[in-house]
Amino acid sequence: GDSVTQMEGPVTLSEEAFLTINCTYTATGYPSLFWYVQYPGEGLQLLLKATKADDKGSNKGFEATYRKETTSFHLEKGSVQVSDSAVYFCALSETRGGSNYKLTFGKGTLLTVNP
Amino acid sequence: GAGVSQSPSNKVTEKGKDVELRCDPISGHTALYWYRQRLGQGLEFLIYFQGNSAPDKSGLPSDRFSAERTGESVSTLTIQRTQQEDSAVYLCASSLASVAAYNEQFFGPGTRLTVL
Repeated sequence: GDSVTQMEGPVTLSEEAFLTINCTYTATGYPSLFWYVQYPGEGLQLLLKATKADDKGSNKGFEATYRKETTSFHLEKGSVQVSDSAVYFCALSETRGGSNYKLTFGKGTLLTVNP
Repeated sequence: GAGVSQSPSNKVTEKGKDVELRCDPISGHTALYWYRQRLGQGLEFLIYFQGNSAPDKSGLPSDRFSAERTGESVSTLTIQRTQQEDSAVYLCASSLASVAAYNEQFFGPGTRLTVL
């Protein structure tokens, strides 16, 4: 079945440091890939997505590139801020019958950014 | 507009009791999903509704779990004879459904269930 493996945290960085959170996946078909973020006390929000190979998703300074050859979708940000402190989830979704479908999530990575 | 809402936000129950968790999706969203997150785990898919029917119930962990949806709106997840391993945060999400590319799933704040 489908699965997502992401870097286990927690990750602690200083403000303005470079961030990478690794994510690799296993899927039987051709999935869409996502990063979701959960800020303290809030619900899950979509951060970025990519639906085909070599697509780059980006939002709020975060980027991730869909790499089919390495089955990876690593999240990066060049300069993190305290406000980026959150739990980050990598996820995939396979389409069935042309429609989007259930999400398969990684376990999440807790990021703490210190001033 | 209003997002996905869930109630209650917290539920503490005794082992063996039944619980009902409610989800109000975003108006107009025909697809509805239930997930759960146990401590230290990722989110696990439970069930998917398209309209009022559930084409995929494969994630329900046992026959103690059931869900229904009415009026292409509210959904209720019922857990009968709760066990301690049912303790988790139960998340609901909704999305537009189409035959096009992926439609974003919008998540509710979750219900934290604790079974004593």
